[in-house]
Amino acid sequence: GQQLNQSPQSMFIQEGEDVSMNCTSSSIFNTWLWYKQDPGEGPVLLIALYKAGELTSNGRLTAQFGITRKDSFLNISASIPSDVGIYFCAGQGSLVRTSGTYKYIFGTGTRLKVLA
Amino acid sequence: EPEVTQTPSHQVTQMGQEVILRCVPISNHLYFYWYRQILGQKVEFLVSFYNNEISEKSEIFDDQFSVERPDGSNFTLKIRSTKLEDSAMYFCASSAGTVYEQYFGPGTRLTVT
Repeated sequence: GQQLNQSPQSMFIQEGEDVSMNCTSSSIFNTWLWYKQDPGEGPVLLIALYKAGELTSNGRLTAQFGITRKDSFLNISASIPSDVGIYFCAGQGSLVRTSGTYKYIFGTGTRLKVLA
Repeated sequence: EPEVTQTPSHQVTQMGQEVILRCVPISNHLYFYWYRQILGQKVEFLVSFYNNEISEKSEIFDDQFSVERPDGSNFTLKIRSTKLEDSAMYFCASSAGTVYEQYFGPGTRLTVT
């Protein structure tokens, strides 16, 4: 089945540093979503990407949909302590012909810790 | 800003008991989902629901699970006879369309003892 691999699994950075994480797959995805999850809470949508090559920003966050449609990256500039959390990518895969719907598959997550 | 809500926030139940987890999706959304996240692991798809029927379900969503939209606002997940391994966070999500972004609720932590 389709799988998403995120890297790095975890990272410690100093406040003010830039952060980069990515999501890769052997399968093609039609849409990429990036979520942030704080402990004990639900994932919060950060950025949605719909076209190959698309580069989208949301404040200090920038994400790109890879041209091959098999990867995506998320950058966080000038990190602050509240950026701590787990970042998940989610890819919308192939059409389910029986239902006419698509299914999102989540990556394994990148745990970010910011040192003040 | 509209949001997905879930109740209860935490449910403790004994093995073999039935539980119903409740969700109120965003009001103009048409597609509804349940996901599960075992502690420390990734979010796993359980089921999607559209037009009052299941669109797709994963291998996790076996005969012990069912979903229902009993009225115009609620969306429920029932686990008929809970097992210890059902302990997890359960997230409801909704989207305006099948290709649109999904918005998640805060989750229900289910603990089966």
